Amino acid sequence: ILNVEQSPQSLHVQEGDSTNFTCSFPSSNFYALHWYRWETAKSPEALFVMTLNGDEKKKGRISATLNTKEGYSYLYIKGSQPEDSATYLCAFMDGNKLVFGAGTILRVKS
Amino acid sequence: DTAVSQTPKYLVTQMGNDKSIKCEQNLGHDTMYWYKQDSKKFLKIMFSYNNKELIINETVPNRFSPKSPDKAHLNLHINSLELGDSAVYFCASTLRSNTGELFFGEGSRLTVL
Repeated sequence: ILNVEQSPQSLHVQEGDSTNFTCSFPSSNFYALHWYRWETAKSPEALFVMTLNGDEKKKGRISATLNTKEGYSYLYIKGSQPEDSATYLCAFMDGNKLVFGAGTILRVKS
Repeated sequence: DTAVSQTPKYLVTQMGNDKSIKCEQNLGHDTMYWYKQDSKKFLKIMFSYNNKELIINETVPNRFSPKSPDKAHLNLHINSLELGDSAVYFCASTLRSNTGELFFGEGSRLTVL
C-alpha cells in the first residue's frame, strides 16, 4: 500500500507567523509530487507540481522544496494571512495515478 | 466559465436507487478522473479515462460504472445505492496524466438515506 504522510495534521498560527508542513512519500519510482490548496466549500487548486530532486518552487509567499532521494517535500508559508487558511494536500504520482495525503489543516488567526 | 463542472452538486436519494453524476471540462484535457472523498476526508481515486479509454479502475464495486462519451465528459453512474456510498465525489482533469496538475470540479455531495 502506497503511503503519503503529511504532518502536522493541523496547525493554528497567528497572522504574520511563518509556517511549514511536511509531506513524506516513497522514494522509489518517483514521477512527480503535487501540492494543492483546498479551501472550505471549494475544490482543490494546484499550487505546485515538482518533478526534479532539489526542485524549489515559489508562488508569492508560498514556496516548496523537494527531496526525492529521501522522500520528502516541505511547503513553506511566509507571513501567514487569514486568507491562507485552508487544507494543504500533497499528492504523489504512483505510475499514472495521483495518491493524496490526508492534508494539513492550517488556520490563521488575525 | 467553470473549467470543470459537475452536476448535480447535491443529491439525496434512497437506498437501492440508481443515480448519475455528470462531469464536463472545457479545458481541452485528454485525461479525466473520478475521486471519492471518504469519511476521513481522504481523496481516493476511483477511475481515470484518457481520451475516452479507461486507464485506471481502482477496486471500486461494479455498481459504479463510469462512461465517457467524449474526452470532455466523464459521467459516473451508480446502481443499487448503499448507505456507504454517501460521500463527496470529485471530478478532475489534466493535460498530462504523468506530471500535469489536476483541475477539480466543485464536488457532488451524495447522501443515501
